[in-house]
Amino acid sequence: SQTIHQWPATLVQPVGSPLSLECTVEGTSNPNLYWYRQAAGRGLQLLFYSVGIGQISSEVPQNLSASRPQDRQFILSSKKLLLSDSGFYLCAWSGTASYTFGSGTRLTVV
Amino acid sequence: GQNIDQPTEMTATEGAIVQINCTYQTSGFNGLFWYQQHAGEAPTFLSYNVLDGLEEKGRFSSFLSRSKGYSYLLLKELQMKDSASYLCAVKDPSNDYKLSFGAGTTVTVRA
Repeated sequence: SQTIHQWPATLVQPVGSPLSLECTVEGTSNPNLYWYRQAAGRGLQLLFYSVGIGQISSEVPQNLSASRPQDRQFILSSKKLLLSDSGFYLCAWSGTASYTFGSGTRLTVV
Repeated sequence: GQNIDQPTEMTATEGAIVQINCTYQTSGFNGLFWYQQHAGEAPTFLSYNVLDGLEEKGRFSSFLSRSKGYSYLLLKELQMKDSASYLCAVKDPSNDYKLSFGAGTTVTVRA
């Protein structure tokens, strides 16, 4: 069966520090992968998606970037965090009739 | 573009039934998902409809009408643990099969 792992679960980072969130998927090959952000009390905003290794599409201009160095690995990064980067970050993968989220990372920028 | 509408909030009593409506206007359609999201947690999958009709899974049912751009999630025999946000999302093949999400409906179950 397919599983998705996302870490860390919570993170507190100072403004201006770098960020690296990692997501891996098991039990499937060549999945479509996604990074979402959810601000407090708000809906899900798609940040990046990837249909294959090295292929990244950005949905919104921002202080973040994404990379897919391996088929089942998706990384969200920032060189310098802003206060506005705080939120709940979710990785997801999609199959034909499924769209599954990781457990999420709660990022607080202080 | 994609436009997904659902009510912001609903309140119901324990043991009752609640119906959460979702209307969508998308360039294409390849399925509609419903998710449950408890506060501070990731969304969890509830149902997937790609054909018209009703899909029943225990206390939860989901209905789809593609011609009307309409779906609903029906929650029966409400329990306190059903208090959560419910997200409607449409998969759009003209948009690289990404999911477009509604803003979510917060359901509060009262004793």
